[in-house]
This record gives sequence, C-alpha cells and structure tokens, in this order.
Amino acid sequence: ETGVTQSPTHLIKTRGQQVTLRCSSQSGHNTVSWYQQALGQGPQFIFQYYREEENGRGNFPPRFSGLQFPNYSSELNVNALELDDSALYLCASSGRDKGTDTQYFGPGTRLTVL
Amino acid sequence: AQRVTQPEKLLSVFKGAPVELKCNYSYSGSPELFWYVQYSRQRLQLLLRHISRESIKGFTADLNKGETSFHLKKPFAQEEDSAMYYCALSAANRDDKIIFGKGTRLHILP
Repeated sequence: ETGVTQSPTHLIKTRGQQVTLRCSSQSGHNTVSWYQQALGQGPQFIFQYYREEENGRGNFPPRFSGLQFPNYSSELNVNALELDDSALYLCASSGRDKGTDTQYFGPGTRLTVL
Repeated sequence: AQRVTQPEKLLSVFKGAPVELKCNYSYSGSPELFWYVQYSRQRLQLLLRHISRESIKGFTADLNKGETSFHLKKPFAQEEDSAMYYCALSAANRDDKIIFGKGTRLHILP
C-alpha cells in the first residue's frame, strides 16, 4: 500500500503568478482534501474532492481551485498569488467507500511567494 | 462558530512525569474529536479519535461534552513523545473537513 505523495517539495513564486501543486492519493482512496498551513498555525481546510467532484469548501477565495482525476490524484491551483499564500500545503486522502474516513496526510509542498 | 482551542503553544515536561495537553472546542452539533501528531521530519498522522476509545502509545483522551474539552493525557512521558500535537474535530460520521487547533509543541526534558 503506497502512501500519499505530493510534488513538488518546495516552490518559490512571485506575486501575481500562478501555481499548481499535485497530490497522489493513497492506494484505494477516492477522496482528497487540501489544507493550507501557515507558519505557527494548524492546517486550514481549503476544499475536498470525492470521485472527481468538489465536496465541500473552506473559507478560501475562488482563485484557489482544484481538480481530481479518474485515478483519484488531485491538483490544487492558485491564481494571482499573494504574499499571504506562502504556506505549507497539505493534501490528505481517505477511502470513504471503504467504510473508513481516516484522512492520511502527505508530506506537504512548501510554497514561498516573494 | 466551529473552533478548536489549544491554549498552550509549548509544554515542557520531564521524562517520567505526567502529560496533559489541553483542548477545548466549540461546535453546534455532535462532532468527532481527534488528536493528530507530527514528529520531527515526519508527516502529520492521526494519533487517536474519541470514538475509538483506545490508548495509543500510552495516550488517552476523554471527550467531556459538558466542558467541551478533549484533553490528551499520558501518565509517564517518554522522550520519543516530543512532537507537535494538534487537536481537531469534524462532523460526526462524515468524511468531511477537519478543523484543527493551532497546536501544542510538547518537549520532553531528560
């Protein structure tokens, strides 16, 4: 059973640019959730995808968008980057249909916006 | 408002002493409560959840609905317990968003 993986590990962008972060779910999981963790804070829920459909969204502006693919991997896209978007971005997968809702986290992508 | 509060940013405890990490929550409804842990250079992982009522690595947590608390306890701290601990909640019986507290860093002193 493979764990959740994320790429890239680190990323540096400038204000106004766009970024795409990627997540591969744990084998057999069909639900992916994305979180933003600013320095010194706990993770904050961005949105969740279940079987390729958005299934809940946190308090983030529309410039944060996502996709889930048929193999259940996922992307987080952020447009018009702002300095405050600098954070660790975590994805977590879970297997809703398997009767378990435990979310397994990836190692994160550290985004720095200059 | 849905909120998880961990009042201590840092807790230092001597090895062998008891540990209590505090967590209070605010939620309209019946939440499910969790403790997540992040050891140095490792990913965030689930430590325990209140519905399981189990002890993991010697840690236990009891949900007190009257006080809206879910404190994490261990009778005898070990050096390997040093880590960042996050209290969290989600809607019961749903694979849903998780609301995290800001975390408490537990430092076990030799």
